[in-house]
Amino acid sequence: ETGVTQSPTHLIKTRGQQVTLRCSSQSGHNTVSWYQQALGQGPQFIFQYYREEENGRGNFPPRFSGLQFPNYSSELNVNALELDDSALYLCASSSRRPNGQFFGPGTRLTVL
Amino acid sequence: AQRVTQPEKLLSVFKGAPVELKCNYSYSGSPELFWYVQYSRQRLQLLLRHISRESIKGFTADLNKGETSFHLKKPFAQEEDSAMYYCALDGGTSYGKLTFGQGTILTVHP
Repeated sequence: ETGVTQSPTHLIKTRGQQVTLRCSSQSGHNTVSWYQQALGQGPQFIFQYYREEENGRGNFPPRFSGLQFPNYSSELNVNALELDDSALYLCASSSRRPNGQFFGPGTRLTVL
Repeated sequence: AQRVTQPEKLLSVFKGAPVELKCNYSYSGSPELFWYVQYSRQRLQLLLRHISRESIKGFTADLNKGETSFHLKKPFAQEEDSAMYYCALDGGTSYGKLTFGQGTILTVHP
């Protein structure tokens, strides 16, 4: 069984730039959720994708967008980067509730 | 609105002592609760699901709807239990949307 993978591991961008983060879901999982984890905080839900459609969104502005592909992998796109976007971005895959979600190692984004 | 509160940011115990990590929640529906753990340099991983009523690595957690709590307990802590622990509540979509607490860093001293 293959676990959740994310790329890249680290990324440095400057304010105003755009970034794309990638995630491959665990084998057998059809749902991908994205979370932002600021330093010293618990992860915060950004949005979830199921069958290539957004299936729930947290309190994040529209410049945070995503995609899910037919193989269930997913991308998180952030436009017009701000300093506060610096965080660890976590991807989690799942099947039906309430089996829980399974997390990738994260992508550390630094915005300068 | 749903919220998860972990009142202790840091918790230190000695090896062999009992440990309890506190978690309180607010949620208007029927909650599904989890404990996740993050060991040093490792990814966040699922430790317990309340619906399973299981014991993992000696840890148990009971959902108390009256007190809106889901405390994590272990009778005899081990050094390898040292980690960051997050309590999380699942609400929202059919496939889950986790709301996390701030986390508790558990340190078990030899």
